[in-house]
Amino acid sequence: SAVISQKPSRDICQRGTSLTIQCQVDSQVTMMFWYRQQPGQSLTLIATANQGSEATYESGFVIDKFPISRPNLTFSTLTVSNMSPEDSSIYLCSVATGTYEQYFGPGTRLTVT
Amino acid sequence: ILNVEQSPQSLHVQEGDSTNFTCSFPSSNFYALHWYRWETAKSPEALFVMTLNGDEKKKGRISATLNTKEGYSYLYIKGSQPEDSATYLCAFINAGNMLTFGGGTRLMVKP
Repeated sequence: SAVISQKPSRDICQRGTSLTIQCQVDSQVTMMFWYRQQPGQSLTLIATANQGSEATYESGFVIDKFPISRPNLTFSTLTVSNMSPEDSSIYLCSVATGTYEQYFGPGTRLTVT
Repeated sequence: ILNVEQSPQSLHVQEGDSTNFTCSFPSSNFYALHWYRWETAKSPEALFVMTLNGDEKKKGRISATLNTKEGYSYLYIKGSQPEDSATYLCAFINAGNMLTFGGGTRLMVKP
């Protein structure tokens, strides 16, 4: 298993600003992911955070809007840039530790006004 | 685009009732199915990972079954308790360990 923490746990931000969310894992993991859940929607994968190279984004998500850093095997950040109210969501990071096993952080609840 | 659907969207039951809900998923290119329990402000908690057709798994009062040929899984809760109130998510896994989630079933258990 893995213990994952996220900061901040919640935030209220103004339109047009950016927020960086941090994800820390208690052990080294190869695969880290970022998800979001918009109100009333499914959890959706934003990107895979790759250590030492650029993140791999899913369809509909771009690096300019959601830049991701992965400086080492225990830490990653997701930035939500130039925010609009549509970015109000819960953002979660997760890690894959073994065959089919994924563990999640507690999430960051973002409200954009 | 993979289609993973859960029903019902929400469910209210009385304490002591047994309940079940459904996850349907593509029956092709199946690798595994996850069930998670997600309480507000907490991490989604992994309940089961199911890989084989006919799998049945149990954890206390919660159990799950899997039919990969027809593409569905059931989650059962026996004798629901207020602390079972949460959103239950299923997620389909394909090659590359990517999870595709259903919309979740929100369960509320009234004392």
